[in-house]
Amino acid sequence: DGGITQSPKYLFRKEGQNVTLSCEQNLNHDAMYWYRQDPGQGLRLIYYSQIVNDFQKGDIAEGYSVSREKKESFPLTVTSAQKNPTAFYLCASSITRTEAFFGQGTRLTVV
Amino acid sequence: SQQGEEDPQALSIQEGENATMNCSYKTSINNLQWYRQNSGRGLVHLILIRSNEREKHSGRLRVTLDTSKKSSSLLITASRAADTASYFCARGSNAGGTSYGKLTFGQGTILTVHP
Repeated sequence: DGGITQSPKYLFRKEGQNVTLSCEQNLNHDAMYWYRQDPGQGLRLIYYSQIVNDFQKGDIAEGYSVSREKKESFPLTVTSAQKNPTAFYLCASSITRTEAFFGQGTRLTVV
Repeated sequence: SQQGEEDPQALSIQEGENATMNCSYKTSINNLQWYRQNSGRGLVHLILIRSNEREKHSGRLRVTLDTSKKSSSLLITASRAADTASYFCARGSNAGGTSYGKLTFGQGTILTVHP
C-alpha cells in the first residue's frame, strides 16, 4: 500500500523538551513538506524539501528543524525554542506538477 | 502568511442540495487546489486546477477559476451526509516552481450536510 505514514498519532511534550515527528513515504515522491494546523485554521508551511539533502524554510520555520537524508523520510524536530508548539502537524509529499498527498497527522500537546 | 479568504466560513445544507464554496486570493498563482479534511484527520486532495484552466470536473465536484478576479469556487452537487467536512482551497505560487505541494491555505469552509 503506497502512502505517507506519520508517527506517532499523538505526542505529548514537556516544557523545554525537543521532540521529533516522523514522516515516511513510499510513493517515490521527490518533494516533501511539513505543515502546522491550529484549531479552526488552515495549514501553514513550516519546511519543505524538493530533493534529498536539501530543504527550505517555509512561513513559520522558527523553532523547528528538519533533515532529509533519505528520499523516503523527512522528520521534523520541534525544539524548545518553539514557544507555542501545541498543534496538529501534517506531512505531505508530491512529484513534479501534481497535487500533494497528506499523511494522517500528529497531534502534539505540551503538558 | 495566509492569503485570501474563503467564503462562507460555515455552510449548513440538506442532503440533495448543492453546496458552493468560494476562495479569493491576492497574489498570482500557477495552480489552485481544493482539499477536504474530516475532523482530526489528514487532507484529501479533490481537484487541482492550473492557472491556464477555467473549469474542472470530478464526479459531483466542479471547480472554476477566474484569474482576473483572483477567485475560485468549488461546487458540490447533490450533497450527501458523508460530504460533511472542512474544505480548503490552497494556492500554489510561481515561487513554488514545480513543487505543487508548496501551498498557501485559506481558513476553510466547514460544510455540514443534514440527512
